[in-house]
Amino acid sequence: SQQGEEDPQALSIQEGENATMNCSYKTSINNLQWYRQNSGRGLVHLILIRSNEREKHSGRLRVTLDTSKKSSSLLITASRAADTASYFCATDGAGNQFYFGTGTSLTVIP
Amino acid sequence: GAGVSQSPSNKVTEKGKDVELRCDPISGHTALYWYRQSLGQGLEFLIYFQGNSAPDKSGLPSDRFSAERTGGSVSTLTIQRTQQEDSAVYLCASSLTPTFYGYTFGSGTRLTIV
Repeated sequence: SQQGEEDPQALSIQEGENATMNCSYKTSINNLQWYRQNSGRGLVHLILIRSNEREKHSGRLRVTLDTSKKSSSLLITASRAADTASYFCATDGAGNQFYFGTGTSLTVIP
Repeated sequence: GAGVSQSPSNKVTEKGKDVELRCDPISGHTALYWYRQSLGQGLEFLIYFQGNSAPDKSGLPSDRFSAERTGGSVSTLTIQRTQQEDSAVYLCASSLTPTFYGYTFGSGTRLTIV
């Protein structure tokens, strides 16, 4: 399957700590995206990283991509209670379709 | 509109009834996707529309599911003779160019079959 797989499935940290979640995939990609989902509803696009990029930053978010290992990581620095959500990686596939994993559930404890 | 709009936000229907879910994408977005998400699961691709091209229906789970996109804008997902396993959150997303900008998702329709 082209589907990305996030790791860990669940993560609980104290406010102010950093949170790291990982995504592994199986086939070659052109780009990989990270999304956040609150309360099981719509997903919010966080960041897109292309296959020729190794690292990308957006505010407190840092994404890395290692195409040789077929893996990506999302780092959230100085976490806040509002960061509590599920985080999904999505990898591109045929026909502009993106494949989503089952997500990492992050809980930030105030 | 400013975002992707889905209606209804919640739908409870009896098993065997037909349901229609609506998605109003961002104006100008040529790509439109339907996904569904069962409790605690990832997103399952259902169908993809791109401009005037024939839709990619490869993700539809059975012939009870169908979707239309009229005038390149609003889309309707129809589920006929609903079953309990159809209960899920149905998410619509649109994009101008997904490989550059990603998707913009709606808030979803939570469908419960009783």
